[in-house]
Amino acid sequence: QKEVEQDPGPLSVPEGAIVSLNCTYSNSAFQYFMWYRQYSRKGPELLMYTYSSGNKEDGRFTAQVDKSSKYISLFIRDSQPSDSATYLCAIGDYGGSQGNLIFGKGTKLSVKP
Amino acid sequence: DSGVTQTPKHLITATGQRVTLRCSPRSGDLSVYWYQQSLDQGLQFLIQYYNGEERAKGNILERFSAQQFPDLHSELNLSSLELGDSALYFCASTYASYGYTFGSGTRLTVV
Repeated sequence: QKEVEQDPGPLSVPEGAIVSLNCTYSNSAFQYFMWYRQYSRKGPELLMYTYSSGNKEDGRFTAQVDKSSKYISLFIRDSQPSDSATYLCAIGDYGGSQGNLIFGKGTKLSVKP
Repeated sequence: DSGVTQTPKHLITATGQRVTLRCSPRSGDLSVYWYQQSLDQGLQFLIQYYNGEERAKGNILERFSAQQFPDLHSELNLSSLELGDSALYFCASTYASYGYTFGSGTRLTVV
């Protein structure tokens, strides 16, 4: 079983839709959960960062973590064409043996006008 | 501009050759991470340096090596290149948290 699993999509939605992106992970030692957005031919940029179970909101974006189920989600409300990108979940165990992030393979999102 | 500078942006080279990718981290960041991104494997962690010292190693091939210099810039050396090494190579930096800042990457094509 891979450490982080993410549905690669692609996902196509109309403008204004609510988008749900998800990842599952296998190691309960993971404590830090992030979502990155990557536009074509660009480097990933950090969108959301959380270390606790529950919801964290930032504008149109909500990150949700369920540690008991080892499941994380990113919700995008009122999606815009500018949200079209690949979204990567990233998970880490800061302070553990690996001081680095493990990334999902990314979900490609397309928001149609 | 993220503050992390990677050069060159594109590189085309032949099999068997050696190349060097360069990364200048964001000002003040002590950690540098190298990642390889391919279509089928996603972002794969290669190696981390912290203030000049190797801190963690991931799926880095023996043909690949890296170092971080006193001015904190880092270089990733890829040798005996194979077709399968064609990928995007990203450098990221951070000071002390998981808020990695990525550069724009170097696209390596091995022909």
